[in-house]
Amino acid sequence: NFMLIQPHSVSESPGKTVTISCTGSSGSISYNYVHWYQQRPGSAPRIVIFEDNKRPSGVPARFSGSIDTSSNSASLIISGLKTEDEADYYCQSYDKTNHEVFGGGTKLTVL
Amino acid sequence: QVQLRESGPGLVKPSETLSLTCTVSGGSLKINSVYWSWIRQAPGKGLELIGDINSVGITRYNSSLTSRLSISVDTSKSQFSLSLSSVTAADTAVYYCARNRGFSGYDTWGQGTLVTVSS
Repeated sequence: NFMLIQPHSVSESPGKTVTISCTGSSGSISYNYVHWYQQRPGSAPRIVIFEDNKRPSGVPARFSGSIDTSSNSASLIISGLKTEDEADYYCQSYDKTNHEVFGGGTKLTVL
Repeated sequence: QVQLRESGPGLVKPSETLSLTCTVSGGSLKINSVYWSWIRQAPGKGLELIGDINSVGITRYNSSLTSRLSISVDTSKSQFSLSLSSVTAADTAVYYCARNRGFSGYDTWGQGTLVTVSS
């Protein structure tokens, strides 16, 4: 089964830039779109990046997404970190039958 | 702006049926290329796809839940519903309804509702 693999946790200081990776277990991650969701404690997830690198209205420009075909990975990049960015982040894409797949989630700590 | 809200019992006994409803407001449920989804999150765990349905009743179910799962839609009430039978403690989770814009992701989520399976 196709899986999306994320680091369990990352941490960085306020004002810095952090990158969260999402690696496809098989196939090419660039074949289908990757989306990213932020889930603050006690809240529902909200989409922060869709279609690899697009930001919904209301999401700060500090959030960006990219695809690296050499490592078969997608990345969520958050620059100018703020304490409010502390949350769990999930990537989501599709398997070869076009069914949705979520990554296991990454806990971001802003120290 | 579309809003989703889950409703249903917060406590279900083992072996009984979990039933939840998601009410869609601020927009139409009858949108092509949109699936209306149920996603759950067990305590301290990640997101698990349960299944979804479109406005004409085509469903897609998580293969691990198919034998116990039913999702239906009532466009006249702008609602879609989840029914999960023979529940166990492993079904204890926060249940979210969400709008799936196909290859554009889940763009709208309900606030979630905690369902505990316990006698």
